[in-house]
Amino acid sequence: NAGVTQTPKFQVLKTGQSMTLQCAQDMNHNSMYWYRQDPGMGLRLIYYSASEGTTDKGEVPNGYNVSRLNKREFSLRLESAAPSQTSVYFCASSESQPNEQYFGPGTRLTVT
Amino acid sequence: KQEVTQIPAALSVPEGENLVLNCSFTDSAIYNLQWFRQDPGKGLTSLLLIQSSQREQTSGRLNASLDKSSGRSTLYIAASQPGDSATYLCAVKKSNTGKLIFGQGTTLQVKP
Repeated sequence: NAGVTQTPKFQVLKTGQSMTLQCAQDMNHNSMYWYRQDPGMGLRLIYYSASEGTTDKGEVPNGYNVSRLNKREFSLRLESAAPSQTSVYFCASSESQPNEQYFGPGTRLTVT
Repeated sequence: KQEVTQIPAALSVPEGENLVLNCSFTDSAIYNLQWFRQDPGKGLTSLLLIQSSQREQTSGRLNASLDKSSGRSTLYIAASQPGDSATYLCAVKKSNTGKLIFGQGTTLQVKP
């Protein structure tokens, strides 16, 4: 039981490049989330998916797109990376009850 | 808008001391509150989840309390150990839709 896994662990992009961050969970959870963590800003929700087939915007969705590929997988895409998107990205998942969120190890992204 | 505050931002204690970490939130209408631990360069590990109808939860040397009316939660760590050194984050959820609002965290150092 791996929990929540994320790939890649590290990535360096040039401004304007695109990439997709992958997330998978093996706990059969309905809900999945993408957060970013920045010094001084804490953790902020980018997008979430309450169930397979649905996605909703969080606090900071601009510049990102998501896909809930199936119940296990939830990907985050940066279409045209900007230096402001340099951050650590975390994926999380939860079940409706007791609604406890479990986090992946993170992806450290640098945009130059 | 819900705001979550954790004071102090950093705390240093000698090994063996009992300690309390504080978390306050501005809107008392919460669904649940979750305490996490984050080690440097790592993801978040869930420590305790308190539902809005509960007053406290315990796990080993950890005890978390919740007072919704005053908008406060505390995390009590008994007999602290150097291995407890980490950043502790609290987060509240307004409803079952899944949006966690995080505090900035308290970075704890336990000295041998």
